[in-house]
Amino acid sequence: GAVVSQHPSWVICKSGTSVKIECRSLDFQATTMFWYRQFPKQSLMLMATSNEGSKATYEQGVEKDKFLINHASLTLSTLTVTSAHPEDSSFYICSAKSLASGRGFTGELFFGEGSRLTVL
Amino acid sequence: RKEVEQDPGPFNVPEGATVAFNCTYSNSASQSFFWYRQDCRKEPKLLMSVYSSGNEDGRFTAQLNRASQYISLLIRDSKLSDSATYLCVVNKMDSNYQLIWGAGTKLIIKP
Repeated sequence: GAVVSQHPSWVICKSGTSVKIECRSLDFQATTMFWYRQFPKQSLMLMATSNEGSKATYEQGVEKDKFLINHASLTLSTLTVTSAHPEDSSFYICSAKSLASGRGFTGELFFGEGSRLTVL
Repeated sequence: RKEVEQDPGPFNVPEGATVAFNCTYSNSASQSFFWYRQDCRKEPKLLMSVYSSGNEDGRFTAQLNRASQYISLLIRDSKLSDSATYLCVVNKMDSNYQLIWGAGTKLIIKP
């Protein structure tokens, strides 16, 4: 099946620093990638939808200047948490929809392994 | 009211037993429904889609009740490896690709 690789899998940083998380589709082209955040014992919350070559669409309440998303190619999207603070500590997961899936959406998004961010 | 609601559990079930979870959704116009499985500290993985007529995949049966706006998942002959959190997922009516996730129901299968 399709593979999405996310890096780093975990990161610890000091408050005020920026952290970049990469999401790569390894064996397919991803026109659309989604970035989620999950706090302990809570549901996945969609942060933004990123489309290759265009600006990301952010969900209500997500600061676009704090969570910078770049989707420069069909196989790579990056999320940069700028000036991270302890409240940004969370599990960040990307997912991708394959270009080859066509019009129909089967519901199968291919997920990266997730990145656990801890801000001290 | 949350858009997708699930009983968080945990459900503690002996191996071999049958267990069922329900999930309710608030948007009557939702079109697509799915069950995902998430192991601890791992990414979610699609378990099965839920079709209007109900569908079965091995030991797993999913059903949809549009009138009452709920989805169910039944697991028969449960295995230790079924221990996980099961996430109910519903599509947003304004996009085929954006999904609303329930917080999940934790299942623990005991030997």
